[in-house]
Amino acid sequence: QSVLTQPPSASATPGQRVTISCSGSNSNIGSNIVNWYQQLPGTAPKLVIYSNNQRPSGVPDRFSGSKSGTSASLTISGLQSEDEADYYCAAWDDSLNGWVFGGGTKLTVL
Amino acid sequence: EVQLVESGGGLVQPGGSLRLSCTASGFTFSSYWMHWVRQAPGKGLVWVSRINSDGSIDGAHTIYADSVKGRFTISRDNAKNTLYLQMNSLRADDTAIYYCVRDRVDCSGGTCYNWFDPWGQGTLVTVSS
Repeated sequence: QSVLTQPPSASATPGQRVTISCSGSNSNIGSNIVNWYQQLPGTAPKLVIYSNNQRPSGVPDRFSGSKSGTSASLTISGLQSEDEADYYCAAWDDSLNGWVFGGGTKLTVL
Repeated sequence: EVQLVESGGGLVQPGGSLRLSCTASGFTFSSYWMHWVRQAPGKGLVWVSRINSDGSIDGAHTIYADSVKGRFTISRDNAKNTLYLQMNSLRADDTAIYYCVRDRVDCSGGTCYNWFDPWGQGTLVTVSS
């Protein structure tokens, strides 16, 4: 059972927009920033959004992030087949004194 | 190019020990906090431990997830650009890919924000009899 809650799966067709949610509590998302990681099949995770809504260099501007209260979301616009991957949200938890992750969302591009 | 390469994984019996290593290159290793994150087969990511940049092994400079506290020890050798994870009293539920991860921080706004970037390719630890 992960501390942060994500839907286990999401799907959309190429060109569409998809949003993945991440729900937490006051001790994590409510008081700290959220980061998002993409894990392509058989590979290590890769940072796609940091500090709620910042994109690292090299990440397409189709990826965006937002946070409100104790929830955050990752939006991918103009979906492409290479976006098919698992996506994880993460935040520091003040009560646990450690990092917590969501359970991951498997994104399928139909 | 920033690179993290883990090694030391393998098959170990329950109750056994294993030491993982992570060799860093392409950046000033001694300036960065480092983490271990693991992923059980077919499961999600779980944070394991963090060590601050100076490598002091005391309560103020290393932290652990409750699931590994007292069994795992994170350490580093900045002269060798290497991060370690000593794993003792291993259990079946420690079976996972273990990733070495660099901590990035931004304190420009007065409050510091952290994230993980990049990740190593991982090393598989299997605990089984």
